[in-house]
Amino acid sequence: KAGVTQTPRYLIKTRGQQVTLSCSPISGHRSVSWYQQTPGQGLQFLFEYFSETQRNKGNFPGRFSGRQFSNSRSEMNVSTLELGDSALYLCASSLGIAGDKQETQYFGPGTRLLVL
Amino acid sequence: AQSVAQPEDQVKVAEGNPLTVKCTYSVSGNPYLFWYVQYPNRGLQFLLKYITGDNLVKGSYGFEAEFNKSQTSFHLKKPSALVSDSALYFCAVSSQTGANNLFFGTGTRLTVIP
Repeated sequence: KAGVTQTPRYLIKTRGQQVTLSCSPISGHRSVSWYQQTPGQGLQFLFEYFSETQRNKGNFPGRFSGRQFSNSRSEMNVSTLELGDSALYLCASSLGIAGDKQETQYFGPGTRLLVL
Repeated sequence: AQSVAQPEDQVKVAEGNPLTVKCTYSVSGNPYLFWYVQYPNRGLQFLLKYITGDNLVKGSYGFEAEFNKSQTSFHLKKPSALVSDSALYFCAVSSQTGANNLFFGTGTRLTVIP
């Protein structure tokens, strides 16, 4: 079974631009979560989508948004990019049993975003 | 609130020796604990998790972790380290308040010396 895939793998943008990242979960997985990884802040939860609905959200500004499609694929968007948005953005998928905190999340390779 | 602490930024061991990567946690309610490993330019790979039951959890690549409720710890162990185990290791706890989000420790860089 194919793992979680993320596109693109690398991205360079300039301040003020916007960016869209894509994530395809493992087949059969309905939950997709996004995380930001930076050297300073470590791994931080952005949001989770399940059945095309945002189910949980981390402490990030409204510039960070996402969506999920009917095939469970997810996109996240960052508008008005800032230098501090440079990070590795990781997507994780899980089966999506509602409220099951025991689920294992499987991570993709990430998209490395550099904001100049 | 949930939190995870990995007190050691870096751990070095000789190949063939046992290794331990430390993790302590703070949660309200029952803890659901995870270990992930990250290789350079890669995402996170799942190693093992503790949900309930036996305090010793066995995972991938010969790793195991011991859950200790009284010490609120979940240390990762391996009896005999390999050079290929050199990587960044993250401990994580599942949120008790939300749905499916993980709180991660700051990571421990393991170096296995040949």
